[in-house]
Amino acid sequence: QVQLQESGPGLVKPSETLSLTCTVSGGSVSSSSHYWSWIRQPPGKGLEWIAYIYYSGGTKYNPSLESRVTISLDTSKNQFSLKLTSVTAADTAVYYCARVGLGGSYYEHFDYWGQGTLVSVSS
Amino acid sequence: DIQMTQSPSSLSASVGDRVTITCRASQSISTYLNWYQQKPGKAPKVLIYAASSLQSGVPSRFSGSGSVTDFTLSISSLQPEDFATYYCQQSYGIPWTFGQGTKVEIK
Repeated sequence: QVQLQESGPGLVKPSETLSLTCTVSGGSVSSSSHYWSWIRQPPGKGLEWIAYIYYSGGTKYNPSLESRVTISLDTSKNQFSLKLTSVTAADTAVYYCARVGLGGSYYEHFDYWGQGTLVSVSS
Repeated sequence: DIQMTQSPSSLSASVGDRVTITCRASQSISTYLNWYQQKPGKAPKVLIYAASSLQSGVPSRFSGSGSVTDFTLSISSLQPEDFATYYCQQSYGIPWTFGQGTKVEIK
């Protein structure tokens, strides 16, 4: 059974960098059959996709965040990470890491999720 | 960006009811459409991918249909554990985008 677990600070100051790590168990981030992704959800609001990365290190970002976001892979630790720079209160959200499954014909969908971690941006 | 619009935003239904939620894309997305269920304080869970493919382990009372721009999630007989918020999501174009959600409440 694949499990994902987010970790990182729950409080970040404005203008600083938000850093989160997702540890994967029961599966490998080196798998060519999946991507690895971050999604966020502001309190009481909907879901926003942030970025994904695949085993080769290739990445895709949400253009609305691309100038501030970096997603990376650490195959030795079976982890992937998110960095979001110059944060503001608008970046306060529950951040989820997720695996992207590839159905036939590359029907990408989030098939496993972490439990989520609330990151608040406040001084 | 491809805009995803769900309707209704919320609905009240009784156990045993048939429930239908619709999702409309602002442009053609073929069948690159997924449905998720989210309960309070929990991560979303995929129900349907590729518009109509039932994710392994999901009860058969859930079904999805549609293509191009118009999609439907149906629950044939609502169960107590189905009261939740449902989201559609397109994976046709970057950025991947979600609908605003439909909250299914107990009548």
